[in-house]
Amino acid sequence: DGGITQSPKYLFRKEGQNVTLSCEQNLNHDAMYWYRQDPGQGLRLIYYSQIVNDFQKGDIAEGYSVSREKKESFPLTVTSAQKNPTAFYLCASSTGRGGNQPQHFGDGTRLSIL
Amino acid sequence: DAKTTQPPSMDCAEGRAANLPCNHSTISGNEYVYWYRQIHSQGPQYIIHGLKNNETNEMASLIITEDRKSSTLILPHATLRDTAVYYCIVRVEGAGNMLTFGGGTRLMVKP
Repeated sequence: DGGITQSPKYLFRKEGQNVTLSCEQNLNHDAMYWYRQDPGQGLRLIYYSQIVNDFQKGDIAEGYSVSREKKESFPLTVTSAQKNPTAFYLCASSTGRGGNQPQHFGDGTRLSIL
Repeated sequence: DAKTTQPPSMDCAEGRAANLPCNHSTISGNEYVYWYRQIHSQGPQYIIHGLKNNETNEMASLIITEDRKSSTLILPHATLRDTAVYYCIVRVEGAGNMLTFGGGTRLMVKP
């Protein structure tokens, strides 16, 4: 089935450690997004990419990095510079064409600090 | 993006229609109305979207008022699995525009 796969589902990070969250889609979508959700809150955009080898910062990019080397993959690295990384991380994708196409989400990765 | 206002919570009896309202009085002409829902600890699920005409798909119907200042999401026969937080979002065209999720409506479907 086509969809968005995020892994792992749960991730623990030690202080000072970088961790990478995986996001893969087989929907042939051009655009991909990373959001962060804190308890009881809405989603905040971290980074997005409209095409391979190009990406832009969202509202809360500090302490995060991304790459887009392949159309189907958009990994997110949470660096040690992110001082409050505990959150639910959501990856989404859309066709990127027509502007009004909806974003479709994966099931998320829950990151916690040890 | 225009702001939206939704009631914080609603109840619905199983098998009945659930009508979820959304106000977006400052919506502009090129902004679409999207509905998503989020079940606890899962990613948001896209439900439906529209510009000015009413829309229907296998999950729900979307009714947009003629002045586009409000809309209603209708789940025709609610089931217990429809219990979730429902988000109404308005968004300008453009792949780079993020989705701004407000507080949403927590729908509780009861047996």
